[in-house]
Amino acid sequence: AQSVTQLDSQVPVFEEAPVELRCNYSSSVSVYLFWYVQYPNQGLQLLLKYLSGSTLVESINGFEAEFNKSQTSFHLRKPSVHISDTAEYFCAVSRSYGGSQGNLIFGKGTKLSVKP
Amino acid sequence: EAGVVQSPRYKIIEKKQPVAFWCNPISGHNTLYWYLQNLGQGPELLIRYENEEAVDDSQLPKDRFSAERLKGVDSTLKIQPAELGDSAVYLCASSFDRDYEQYFGPGTRLTVT
Repeated sequence: AQSVTQLDSQVPVFEEAPVELRCNYSSSVSVYLFWYVQYPNQGLQLLLKYLSGSTLVESINGFEAEFNKSQTSFHLRKPSVHISDTAEYFCAVSRSYGGSQGNLIFGKGTKLSVKP
Repeated sequence: EAGVVQSPRYKIIEKKQPVAFWCNPISGHNTLYWYLQNLGQGPELLIRYENEEAVDDSQLPKDRFSAERLKGVDSTLKIQPAELGDSAVYLCASSFDRDYEQYFGPGTRLTVT
């Protein structure tokens, strides 16, 4: 079975400061990794994903995450945050093969609060 | 392109009453998911459909929960009877197939009193 741990439930940060949201996973099989974002009163949106290849993946709005197999981590980073990045961020994992491939297992989420 | 549509957005019922949630996936998406999100938690998968077949319902509490996806398009999730602990957000997601990105609807927030 797979599991996801998001180490911080809340992260307050000032505008234009860097931020890192931490995610660790546990799995005995090969996995895909995802970060989803949920803005207030909206549905979950895919921010970025790691399927294979380069371990550093980037989103269109400046976020990046690096897959670290040895540390079983997939931390999300942004060098300079904006007020509009205030949201809840969920790390998720799914098996890369087999019957439950595609079934997402989520962490508990990290609420990012960007202050002016 | 229209996104995943869910209704109602909010529902308040008394315990022991039945309730149903409806989901219309993105056109052409064969795979449909229902997730449960408790307060302060991440979503948890309840059931996955590929076309009209429920291919993974291992996490669905079948004593009170049921789901259907007639004609492989819209889906309905039902709870009968509802319990206080069922208060949560019920999310629907769809994807072209299980190898592709899941798109989530806005969810239905259920409050059981």
